[in-house]
Amino acid sequence: SQQGEEDPQALSIQEGENATMNCSYKTSINNLQWYRQNSGRGLVHLILIRSNEREKHSGRLRVTLDTSKKSSSLLITASRAADTASYFCATGTPGLGSARQLTFGSGTQLTVLP
Amino acid sequence: EAQVTQNPRYLITVTGKKLTVTCSQNMNHEYMSWYRQDPGLGLRQIYYSMNVEVTDKGDVPEGYKVSRKEKRNFPLILESPSPNQTSLYFCASSLSVRGTTTDTQYFGPGTRLTVL
Repeated sequence: SQQGEEDPQALSIQEGENATMNCSYKTSINNLQWYRQNSGRGLVHLILIRSNEREKHSGRLRVTLDTSKKSSSLLITASRAADTASYFCATGTPGLGSARQLTFGSGTQLTVLP
Repeated sequence: EAQVTQNPRYLITVTGKKLTVTCSQNMNHEYMSWYRQDPGLGLRQIYYSMNVEVTDKGDVPEGYKVSRKEKRNFPLILESPSPNQTSLYFCASSLSVRGTTTDTQYFGPGTRLTVL
């Protein structure tokens, strides 16, 4: 079952612009992670934000988490053509019984036009 | 270099012919998992393993088997493949401490399987 749902499904922007992707989830989490996938390749971890954090930065990436709204956003600033990829949020659920660890959404396809 | 490897990367086979996709990680991770990725459905977990000899079903285990005889290896077995198992498969691993769910997962490059 899918926990995280990304919005929009597809996003096309010009190089240099900022890209914002959103993720909503349904149940309690202990962390939320964002991954990037280049076409046909494996997912690469970008950033992890814990449930007690509200904002986190990593280079050109900024992630926010609002647990009251069960939502997160990923902002990529000053986008580059190389940022073209699919972006997935994944939620980690608490408790030993949830040993499946991460549940992935269906992703946002970002296209950065040169 | 820390990595997860999968073999083969591409495979075309026919219905009913048993196949195994291998997965190996060199990070001494306890947790390993298999996913399949289909258009519009995101990643769905097939099986996972918390440690050697400890495996459990994910969301879509039907038609698949796994084994975890060694910590580094987690092969995915399709005893009798069918066309609906045509998909892109990913193996992933992470360090799992006491079964908690906080860790980054490291993904293999993927195996594109076509079952005719």
